[in-house]
Amino acid sequence: QQQVKQSPQSLIVQKGGIPIINCAYENTAFDYFPWYQQFPGKGPALLIAIRPDVSEKKEGRFTISFNKSAKQFSLHIMDSQPGDSATYFCAAPSNTGKLIFGQGTTLQVKP
Amino acid sequence: EADIYQTPRYLVIGTGKKITLECSQTMGHDKMYWYQQDPGMELHLIHYSYGVNSTEKGDLSSESTVSRIRTEHFPLTLESARPSHTSQYLCASSVQEFTEAFFGQGTRLTVV
Repeated sequence: QQQVKQSPQSLIVQKGGIPIINCAYENTAFDYFPWYQQFPGKGPALLIAIRPDVSEKKEGRFTISFNKSAKQFSLHIMDSQPGDSATYFCAAPSNTGKLIFGQGTTLQVKP
Repeated sequence: EADIYQTPRYLVIGTGKKITLECSQTMGHDKMYWYQQDPGMELHLIHYSYGVNSTEKGDLSSESTVSRIRTEHFPLTLESARPSHTSQYLCASSVQEFTEAFFGQGTRLTVV
């Protein structure tokens, strides 16, 4: 069964730091790689997504970097804030087109 | 306001009971999904619907069943709940497969 490997499992940074979360995926015929943010007791919400016709996409303080040859993509959070403390999930399409989620990264941003 | 709703939010039920988890969306999305998520773990797709009268099983085997009689409604049923079914169940919808999926707040199910 296809997998998406996400790391690290947890991350603690100081306010203003730049946490980086990495994901690696297996072969897929589809091109859509989203990141979701989930707060406790809530469902995941789409944070940012990339289609790999570009190697980088930036929305506000959030940036996705994409390396198609290495089958890897990462999320960078610039000037992180305590309100960014949440669990982050990457996802990649399986060969059947269904999204497979990574294991999640719990981020804590200390004031 | 367009949204996706799940009820109940929390459910504690005894072994052997039949349960239905409700999911409704007001966005007119054709694609709807059910995911299962254990605490601190990834989401696993258990059911998927392309549209009315179209359902298929996801990558994670599940004893639950679903129906899609109306575009906006995608309920999930467990005929006989077991402690192994204890988990969080998340419903989602999207316009197409590779566009933003909107998630409900989830139903946290505990079978005792």
